[in-house]
Amino acid sequence: DAKTTQPPSMDCAEGRAANLPCNHSTISGNEYVYWYRQIHSQGPQYIIHGLKNNETNEMASLIITEDRKSSTLILPHATLRDTAVYYCIVRSYGGATNKLIFGTGTLLAVQP
Amino acid sequence: GAVVSQHPSWVICKSGTSVKIECRSLDFQATTMFWYRQFPKQSLMLMATSNEGSKATYEQGVEKDKFLINHASLTLSTLTVTSAHPEDSSFYICSASPPQGADTQYFGPGTRLTVL
Repeated sequence: DAKTTQPPSMDCAEGRAANLPCNHSTISGNEYVYWYRQIHSQGPQYIIHGLKNNETNEMASLIITEDRKSSTLILPHATLRDTAVYYCIVRSYGGATNKLIFGTGTLLAVQP
Repeated sequence: GAVVSQHPSWVICKSGTSVKIECRSLDFQATTMFWYRQFPKQSLMLMATSNEGSKATYEQGVEKDKFLINHASLTLSTLTVTSAHPEDSSFYICSASPPQGADTQYFGPGTRLTVL
């Protein structure tokens, strides 16, 4: 699976949009971009995933560049409860047997 | 949504004893589950893939005789840390995918193991 690069930490003011970048320059054509987050001392939580089109759900939006070498996760109105480590993972699509390999992630600190 | 549970949520044991951690998919069947380990201030490290009815597949560097995995049913996988030592103290997390949403993994809440 392709590797990803994320900034180690970011700050965001409460109520503002949080934009978390991820570089995945070696992504291959059949690999999706997944985002998970982990609040302290809890299991990771799925946020969103996409292939090449922008995606949006109730939690966040995912913007993938046209060349697919980078993406941005957007939390439109960050709250204190969004403070967590955010992981960007690229993974081949298809099947419950496909494992997720976590990198170091970005620690997002939402400030009051 | 899909729910994965773990039991116990935390455990303290003496060095040399064995500890069993359970991972259950509560509202779906999972032929495959995954076990991760996470040390403080580090990322999750995949330990093994648990396959229902067959042997687990371990990642490189993970001792299969020390971390015994049993996936006896479609809703339960267990991880047994045998002859635990203080360096095995960690946060152990499992995950699984429901058949109808196989491209999304759901994680359990984790088990905090402390070996004295």
